[in-house]
Amino acid sequence: EVQLLESGGGLVQPGGSLRLSCAASGFTFRSYAMSWVRQAPGKGLEWVSTISDSGISAYYADSVKGRFTISRDNSKNTLYLQVNSLRAEDTAVYYCAKGGGDTAMSVWGQGTLVTVSS
Amino acid sequence: AIQLTQSPSSLSASVGDRVTITCRASQGISSALAWYQQKPGKAPKLLIYDASSLESGVPSRFSGSGSGTDFTLTISSLQPEDFATYYCQQFNNYPPPTFGQGTRLEIK
Repeated sequence: EVQLLESGGGLVQPGGSLRLSCAASGFTFRSYAMSWVRQAPGKGLEWVSTISDSGISAYYADSVKGRFTISRDNSKNTLYLQVNSLRAEDTAVYYCAKGGGDTAMSVWGQGTLVTVSS
Repeated sequence: AIQLTQSPSSLSASVGDRVTITCRASQGISSALAWYQQKPGKAPKLLIYDASSLESGVPSRFSGSGSGTDFTLTISSLQPEDFATYYCQQFNNYPPPTFGQGTRLEIK
């Protein structure tokens, strides 16, 4: 069974940092682009970032560019999102998803909540 | 960035109804469109990819059509478990991939 399991969310003060992780299983992780998508409370879906299968290429939404960094460890089947300089408007559930880029996102994790508040 | 506009934003329907949700792109995206279903407190689930291809395991009452700028998601006979929010997403002009604002389907 294909599974994605996020972790690393929590309550952080404005300006703080977190590292989100997404552990993948049930598919050949190294063969797929992976993405992060977030959803603010009561709002719609917002794409955050995508990384290529090899990890060489990464893309970011303008709203997070320069503050967030996506990475992956194909030996550990794990996707990461380093989130720095957090703002109140970054408060959201962060989902990792299989695919993205020029394909649909076929599998999603259960999400991890990031709350930015003093 | 390409904008996707879904209509309606919300919809009330009854079990057994046929329902259609539309998604209009601000410029042509060929068939690079997906539809997702999201239930409260849950992650989105892929229903349709490439505008009209049914994801494995998704009931056949769901169907998608369209190309270019105009797309539709149709549920042929609503079931109780179909009441949810539906999102379209384009992946033709990337980055960024963009989502529609969502359509909330409620029980009448």
